[in-house]
Amino acid sequence: DAKTTQPTSMDCAEGRAANLPCNHSTISGNEYVYWYRQIHSQGPQYIIHGLKNNETNEMASLIITEDRKSSTLILPHATLRDTAVYYCIVRVSGSARQLTFGSGTQLTVLP
Amino acid sequence: GAVVSQHPSRVICKSGTSVKIECRSLDFQATTMFWYRQFPKQSLMLMATSNEGSKATYEQGVEKDKFLINHASLTLSTLTVTSAHPEDSSFYICSALLAGSNEQFFGPGTRLTVL
Repeated sequence: DAKTTQPTSMDCAEGRAANLPCNHSTISGNEYVYWYRQIHSQGPQYIIHGLKNNETNEMASLIITEDRKSSTLILPHATLRDTAVYYCIVRVSGSARQLTFGSGTQLTVLP
Repeated sequence: GAVVSQHPSRVICKSGTSVKIECRSLDFQATTMFWYRQFPKQSLMLMATSNEGSKATYEQGVEKDKFLINHASLTLSTLTVTSAHPEDSSFYICSALLAGSNEQFFGPGTRLTVL
């Protein structure tokens, strides 16, 4: 699985959009970008994933650059409950292998 | 749907005792389950891959005789930490792979404290 690079931490004001970047310059053509988050002392939670088109669901939007070397997870209206570590993971879809977690980004939503 | 539970959620034990942690997929079948360990302020690290009806595959550096894994059914995998020591204190998390797909669902984790 391709390596990803994320900022260590970010702050965001409550109610504002949180934009979390991820670099994955060595991504292969058949690898997807997945985002998970982990609230303190809980198991990881799936957020969204995509291949090359932008994706949106009830939790977030995923914007992938045209060259697919980077992506941004957008939480449109961050709340205090969105404070968590956000992990960007690149992997082949359909793989039954484990998820490899990097260090992620600690997002702190401020009141 | 796709709920994974872990039991217990928190356990404190004395050094030298064994502790069993259960991971259950409540509403789906999982031929594969993964066990992760997370130390404070660190990321999740894979310990082993558990396949129903066969022996688990352990990651390098993880002692298979110390961390016993049993995956006897399509909805249950257990991790037993044998002869636990304080350095085994950690947050243990399982995930279950939905049979026939690549979607993984995580349990809530088990906080183990060895005194």
